[in-house]
Order: sequence, then C-alpha cells, then structure tokens
Amino acid sequence: GDSVTQMEGPVTLSEEAFLTINCTYTATGYPSLFWYVQYPGEGLQLLLKATKADDKGSNKGFEATYRKETTSFHLEKGSVQVSDSAVYFCALATSNTGKLIFGQGTTLQVKP
Amino acid sequence: DVKVTQSSRYLVKRTGEKVFLECVQDMDHENMFWYRQDPGLGLRLIYFSYDVKMKEKGDIPEGYSVSREKKERFSLILESASTNQTSMYLCASSLNGFNSPLHFGNGTRLTVT
Repeated sequence: GDSVTQMEGPVTLSEEAFLTINCTYTATGYPSLFWYVQYPGEGLQLLLKATKADDKGSNKGFEATYRKETTSFHLEKGSVQVSDSAVYFCALATSNTGKLIFGQGTTLQVKP
Repeated sequence: DVKVTQSSRYLVKRTGEKVFLECVQDMDHENMFWYRQDPGLGLRLIYFSYDVKMKEKGDIPEGYSVSREKKERFSLILESASTNQTSMYLCASSLNGFNSPLHFGNGTRLTVT
C-alpha cells in the first residue's frame, strides 16, 4: 500500500544552518505530496505542497521538489531560525484512496 | 480564517467508560477526519467522512465509532475506553477532493487510566 518514510529525528541545528529533512514515498497512481508542520502545543498546519512531478512547493523560506524518478520530496531551508523548531510531517494523497497518509514526523530543534 | 475546534484540550477517563470527542469546523468543509498521534508512529487515520451521515473506516478503526449528524460537527466515540487508547487525537477538515489541504484542530490529549 501507499506509504511515506521520513528521516529519523531529532534533528538539532544551530541558527542559520542549512536544513534538509528527507522524505521518500511509495504510491500507486500519481500522488500529491505535502509537508505539514506542528509547532509545540498546536495542531498541524500545511507548510507547502506539490501536485505533480517536478513541481516545487515553497513557503516561509522552505522548499521541496517533487522528484518522481527518486520518489522523494525532501524539505530544505537555507537558514533556519529558532522559531522553526517544530515537528515536520511529510504526507501523500492519491485519488485512489482520497486519504492523506503521513510519515512518522521529524522533530527539528534549532539552537541560538 | 479557517477554524477547527476540539471541545477538550485534556481529558482523563477511566477504563471502560464511554468517551465522546467533539470537533466543529466553521468553513463549510465537506470532509472531516479523526487521527491519533503517537510518538514514532506519526498520524494514523481512525475514521473519515465525506458528507453528512456518511462515514468510512480509516486504518485503525477498531474500538472507535463516529457520528456526523451535521456538516460542521464530527464526533469520535470510544465505546469502552482502554489504556491503549491513551493518545493525542486530532480532528481535521478539508474542502473537497484529495488535493485539498487539511485544517487541523489543536488536539485532545486523552489519558485512560
């Protein structure tokens, strides 16, 4: 079945460091891909999305490119801030199931 | 702005009790979802609904049921709470179609003792 695999956390970085969180997926059909973020004490909110191969989603300095050949959707940011500390979830949805399937989440901690 | 409201932030119940978790959205969204969130497991879908009075089982429906009598309200019911249902429960809604982003509530932390 469809699935999403994220890199294990936690990821600890210093402020202004470069961030990459890896995400790979397995899906039948042509999924849409998403990154959600969960700040402490809050629900998840959409960070960015891409709906077809080679699309790049971007928001708040974060970017991710839909790579069909490597079935990946890695999240990147050039310079992280303390306020980026949160849990990041990669997810996919397909028209086959109509459901959103999440990875296990990656905790990011940014230190000043 | 979109708002999904879960009735309780924290809840403590005893084993065997019947538990109701309520969720209300104010965006006239068609779709509503219940997930549970556990460390290392991410979010797992319990039940979802694409319309009033309609429900579909997710990946882990055992021990749960749902009710959607009105478009804006989606209730999760634990018929007889057990300790392995101690978890964070997240409600979400989306407009329509599988591409629509989900809007989440802040979650209910349920402890079953």
